[in-house]
Amino acid sequence: GENVGLHLPTLSVQEGDNSIINCAYSNSASDYFIWYKQESGKGPQFIIDIRSNMDKRQGQRVTVLLNKTVKHLSLQIAATQPGDSAVYFCAENWAETGANSKLTFGKGITLSVRP
Amino acid sequence: DAGVTQSPTHLIKTRGQQVTLRCSPISGHKSVSWYQQVLGQGPQFIFQYYEKEERGRGNFPDRFSARQFPNYSSELNVNALLLGDSALYLCASSLATTTDTQYFGPGTRLTVL
Repeated sequence: GENVGLHLPTLSVQEGDNSIINCAYSNSASDYFIWYKQESGKGPQFIIDIRSNMDKRQGQRVTVLLNKTVKHLSLQIAATQPGDSAVYFCAENWAETGANSKLTFGKGITLSVRP
Repeated sequence: DAGVTQSPTHLIKTRGQQVTLRCSPISGHKSVSWYQQVLGQGPQFIFQYYEKEERGRGNFPDRFSARQFPNYSSELNVNALLLGDSALYLCASSLATTTDTQYFGPGTRLTVL
């Protein structure tokens, strides 16, 4: 399949360790944020989301943290597994003045899990 | 339940040709969005349709057009293809707005020669 992660920054972690993937978003007016995981040859898969009125949200093995002061989003994966190896994208939802809102994706980070 | 489906999976065209890509949303979802993903980059927003009306458009030329049908499926058309249009075209469906979770299909890989 295609290499979605070509030329993207890479985070390498040991299996069983916790992973932290960071994202700086661009617009202070963004009201909704999502993390997606994309494996080779597949479309992005929803992981977890958070709205701007929250600063933390937990899922199964994943936690998203939102710091609106510095426009920073992070994804924490507990006990990282080989199946977590993929490209991870953060996305923000915002609207230009007079326009409908849209989802804007970051550049992506490749997570590589060492056995 | 079936997820978002897209057809075809792969497509090869030559410069100047026209292409139509198809998307069927998750049952019950009324909004479809289209994205272009160039190798090594994140998806770029092209269009959003809700209840058969265009609700959003990204920074793409008029060669790109789309429509949504009464059954909420959608087509993306690209005319006068350029080499730079080679990309993975993704369709995402959601219940209604862009703040509803968008679920992506597997994409259509378009290669323009």
